[in-house]
Amino acid sequence: EPEVTQTPSHQVTQMGQEVILRCVPISNHLYFYWYRQILGQKVEFLVSFYNNEISEKSEIFDDQFSVERPDGSNFTLKIRSTKLEDSAMYFCASRAQGVPDTQYFGPGTRLTVL
Amino acid sequence: AQSVTQLGSHVSVSEGALVLLRCNYSSSVPPYLFWYVQYPNQGLQLLLKYTSAATLVKGINGFEAEFKKSETSFHLTKPSAHMSDAAEYFCAVSDDNNNDMRFGAGTRLTVKP
Repeated sequence: EPEVTQTPSHQVTQMGQEVILRCVPISNHLYFYWYRQILGQKVEFLVSFYNNEISEKSEIFDDQFSVERPDGSNFTLKIRSTKLEDSAMYFCASRAQGVPDTQYFGPGTRLTVL
Repeated sequence: AQSVTQLGSHVSVSEGALVLLRCNYSSSVPPYLFWYVQYPNQGLQLLLKYTSAATLVKGINGFEAEFKKSETSFHLTKPSAHMSDAAEYFCAVSDDNNNDMRFGAGTRLTVKP
C-alpha cells in the first residue's frame, strides 16, 4: 500500500540554524500539507500546497517557513532560522484529487532545537 | 472558522468495556469530520471519516462514529475495548475544500486489563 514517507525521522539542530524537512507524498496525490505537533499538544495545521503554490497557511506559518516541491516527488518544509519553540513533531500529509478525500499522513520528523 | 472540541483529555476503560470518545464541532459550512489514531511514536492513522453520506460511519478496528447535526457532535465509539486500542485519538474537521484541517486537542485512551 502506498504511503507518505518523511526524512529524517529525527533532526537535532542548533538555534538559528536552517533545517529542511523532507517528505515524499503518495505518487498520484496533488495536494500536500504540513502540520506540527508540539510535545503533548494538538496537531496544528501549517500550510497546504497545490499546483506549485500555497493554498492556505496558518498564523504559525510566518516568514521563517517556506515550502517547496523541488521535483516530481519531494515536498519540503524549510525553517530558515530555528527557534527553541520550533521543537516539535512535523507531519507531512497528501491527498488525491477529488473532494473530499482523505489526507494520508507520514510518520513525522521530530525536530529538536537546542 | 471551523473547530473541534474533544471533551476529556484522558479516558480510561477496562478491557471489554464500551469506548466513548467525545467530539463536538463548530462549522459555518457542512463539515467533513475525521477521527485519527496516533500510537506512541507513530504518525496519524485514519480511523474513519464523515463526508455527508451516511450519518453512522464505520471505521477500522471496530470503531464507529455517528454524525449528529442537532448536537454538532461526532462521537467515536467501540463496543468492546482491546488493550491494543490504547493510543491518542484526534477528532478533526475540514471544509469541502479540505485545505485546512483543524484538529482537536486529542484524547488519550487507556485500557486497563
